Amino acid sequence: QKEVEQDPGPLSVPEGAIVSLNCTYSNSAFQYFMWYRQYSRKGPELLMYTYSSGNKEDGRFTAQVDKSSKYISLFIRDSQPSDSATYLCAMAGYSSASKIIFGSGTRLSIRP
Amino acid sequence: GAGVSQSPSNKVTEKGKDVELRCDPISGHTALYWYRQSLGQGLEFLIYFQGNSAPDKSGLPSDRFSAERTGGSVSTLTIQRTQQEDSAVYLCASSLVSESQGGSPLHFGNGTRLTVT
Repeated sequence: QKEVEQDPGPLSVPEGAIVSLNCTYSNSAFQYFMWYRQYSRKGPELLMYTYSSGNKEDGRFTAQVDKSSKYISLFIRDSQPSDSATYLCAMAGYSSASKIIFGSGTRLSIRP
Repeated sequence: GAGVSQSPSNKVTEKGKDVELRCDPISGHTALYWYRQSLGQGLEFLIYFQGNSAPDKSGLPSDRFSAERTGGSVSTLTIQRTQQEDSAVYLCASSLVSESQGGSPLHFGNGTRLTVT
């Protein structure tokens, strides 16, 4: 079993829809949770960064962490064609030398 | 520039040749990571540097892979006697890691696309 599981998609939704992206994990030591967005032929860019459980909102993006269920989510409201990309979840334990583990990524396409 | 810089952006090499990939991290970032991303796959961890030392090199696939970092800045990833299965995008990332907080977010370069023919 992988430490981090993420549905690879592809996921296709119409413009304006609410998108829900999810990851599950098995290592209870993870404390830091991140979402990255990767456009084609580019490096991943950080979207959201949260510590421990709870919600964090930034514009149209909301990240949720449920440590009891080992489940994290990223919600995108009012989705735009420019949101079409691969979204990767990532997580790390509590250590400055922690290895950051990535999910395999979900390909998202927003139809105009 | 302000971001992580990787060179070359593309590299085509013949099977059996050695290649060297370069990463210039963001100035002041003490941590540096190398990842590999195969087509349609997630990021595979290769090696992590804190300063010039590598506390975790557990992801290096074989002894053909090595990496070094000098001056707490530039890093090179070397692949000897390349094989076709080495074809992938090699991504470098850096982060500002403080001792009081782990898991600092990574800032990625755009990668080196390696093709072994």
